[in-house]
Amino acid sequence: GENVEQHPSTLSVQEGDSAVIKCTYSDSASNYFPWYKQELGKGPQLIIDIRSNVGEKKDQRIAVTLNKTAKHFSLHITETQPEDSAVYFCADLNAGNMLTFGGGTRLMVKP
Amino acid sequence: GAGVSQSPRYKVAKRGQDVALRCDPISGHVSLFWYQQALGQGPEFLTYFQNEAQLDKSGLPSDRFFAERPEGSVSTLKIQRTQQEDSAVYLCASSLATFSSGANVLTFGAGSRLTVL
Repeated sequence: GENVEQHPSTLSVQEGDSAVIKCTYSDSASNYFPWYKQELGKGPQLIIDIRSNVGEKKDQRIAVTLNKTAKHFSLHITETQPEDSAVYFCADLNAGNMLTFGGGTRLMVKP
Repeated sequence: GAGVSQSPRYKVAKRGQDVALRCDPISGHVSLFWYQQALGQGPEFLTYFQNEAQLDKSGLPSDRFFAERPEGSVSTLKIQRTQQEDSAVYLCASSLATFSSGANVLTFGAGSRLTVL
């Protein structure tokens, strides 16, 4: 079945620095790649997504890049703030029309 | 409602008990999903409804798990004869259109945390 690998599992950065989280997927038919942020005790919340006909998308301090040839996509957060601390999940929508999630990255932003 | 509502938020069950978890999706949302999230892991797909029809239940781990959405709105996930390995957060999510359209957003509830002793 579809497999989504996410790295790193934990990431600690200083406030103001950038953070990068990377994911790889296996299903070449995947065409939609969302990123979710999950805070303690809450459900995942969509923060940005990208579709397979686009290579990059940016929304203020967050951006996502997609390399379909290599089957990987990345989340970039610039000028990190303490409130960015959370668990981030990548996911892909594969040919079976189901979202498959990565294992998550715990981001800690130190003030 | 404004968001996806799940109840109970926390459930402690003795091994062997039956439990029922409820999901109220956003009003008018066609698609409804259940996911299971073990501690420290990503959500894993359980089952998918389009209106009242259960189109995919391939993720249900055993025949002790059963989900329904009889009127195409509220959904219930039932777990019979609970086991310790069933302990997890059960997330419900809904989207406005059929998810295969690729043009909609999946909104998650806060989840129901099940602990089986």
